[in-house]
Amino acid sequence: AQSVTQLGSHVSVSEGALVLLRCNYSSSVPPYLFWYVQYPNQGLQLLLKYTTGATLVKGINGFEAEFKKSETSFHLTKPSAHMSDAAEYFCAAGVYNQGGKLIFGQGTELSVKP
Amino acid sequence: NAGVTQTPKFRVLKTGQSMTLLCAQDMNHEYMYWYRQDPGMGLRLIHYSVGEGTTAKGEVPDGYNVSRLKKQNFLLGLESAAPSQTSVYFCASGISGLALSYEQYFGPGTRLTVT
Repeated sequence: AQSVTQLGSHVSVSEGALVLLRCNYSSSVPPYLFWYVQYPNQGLQLLLKYTTGATLVKGINGFEAEFKKSETSFHLTKPSAHMSDAAEYFCAAGVYNQGGKLIFGQGTELSVKP
Repeated sequence: NAGVTQTPKFRVLKTGQSMTLLCAQDMNHEYMYWYRQDPGMGLRLIHYSVGEGTTAKGEVPDGYNVSRLKKQNFLLGLESAAPSQTSVYFCASGISGLALSYEQYFGPGTRLTVT
């Protein structure tokens, strides 16, 4: 069965430091992958997505992620954290021809210290 | 373009009461989804629809029913609410096909408390 695991339910970084949020998936077929961000009391907003092609994908707000098939990973990074990046981040995976369904990870709450 | 809207935003129910959550999208998307979000569990799919008049069960369908009578609307019903259904409910809509990457667009959520 398909699953998504996010390592670390809480991550804290200092402003200006590197942000690294980890996501691993399990799937018997090549998946498509997403990172979503959720600010307090709001819905989810798409940060970036991988479908096919280039394995390094860039998203909004300076975030990027790299699809590594050999490691079944899709980690999210940002070189320099900003206070406004504090939010909850969700990794999600889907498989083609299954009604567009997504499986979400448990979420990682990112705190940014001044 | 309002995107995905959800009604109501907040609701408190007593155990055994029923209610319907309404989701509407104005993007002409074929696919629509209902999720629930609980702390530490991410989002879990309740039911989904791949087109008008069709529905299918997701990961946690028990205690919920859905209907998709119009393409733009997707209703989630709770026939007899239980405290375990206290959660934040999100609706999403999406587009299908390889070229369109199955991206989902989310509504703002409905916070439901069952006492």
